[in-house]
Amino acid sequence: DGGITQSPKYLFRKEGQNVTLSCEQNLNHDAMYWYRQDPGQGLRLIYYSQIVNDFQKGDIAEGYSVSREKKESFPLTVTSAQKNPTAFYLCASSSYRDPGILQFFGPGTRLTVL
Amino acid sequence: QQPVQSPQAVILREGEDAVINCSSSKALYSVHWYRQKHGEAPVFLMILLKGGEQKGHEKISASFNEKKQQSSLYLTASQLSYSGTYFCGTALAAGNMLTFGGGTRLMVKP
Repeated sequence: DGGITQSPKYLFRKEGQNVTLSCEQNLNHDAMYWYRQDPGQGLRLIYYSQIVNDFQKGDIAEGYSVSREKKESFPLTVTSAQKNPTAFYLCASSSYRDPGILQFFGPGTRLTVL
Repeated sequence: QQPVQSPQAVILREGEDAVINCSSSKALYSVHWYRQKHGEAPVFLMILLKGGEQKGHEKISASFNEKKQQSSLYLTASQLSYSGTYFCGTALAAGNMLTFGGGTRLMVKP
């Protein structure tokens, strides 16, 4: 079955630690995205990548880093520079299918800083 | 620029109808609707394109008014399973990435 997988589902981090969230898709989508969602809030774009080996900052990129070495994978690292990282993180991918893009989301990773 | 959704929240009794709006200050190419259950990922419902027809998904349908740059999501005879947060995502051109609205929280009570 095609889809987007994220791991782990729950992640606990101590202050000062870097953590990496995994996102993999087998939909053959070109574009991938990372969003952050705080309780009761909307989706805020952290980073996006439209092609392998290229990525762009979104609205709230500070304290985060990404890589896109393979089409299928777009890991997100939450660094110690991110002062308030506790949130629900959603990965998404999209592809252009005439006449418009279709975007789907992974199941999410809930990160808690202890 | 982020589209604006209204209302921010709505509470319904089972069987009642609701309308959720998504408005943009810019000319839109497409509007995408998603529903998110608490603690889960948003699930794609439907896409509406400029010049396209009204779409439907079970008892949930939507329209796109190009003159107003507004899309409306219609939920008729609501069911408990309709509860969740509804997001619209908008694209200014074919192939453009989506910009999401702030969401509308819908609660359906028995």
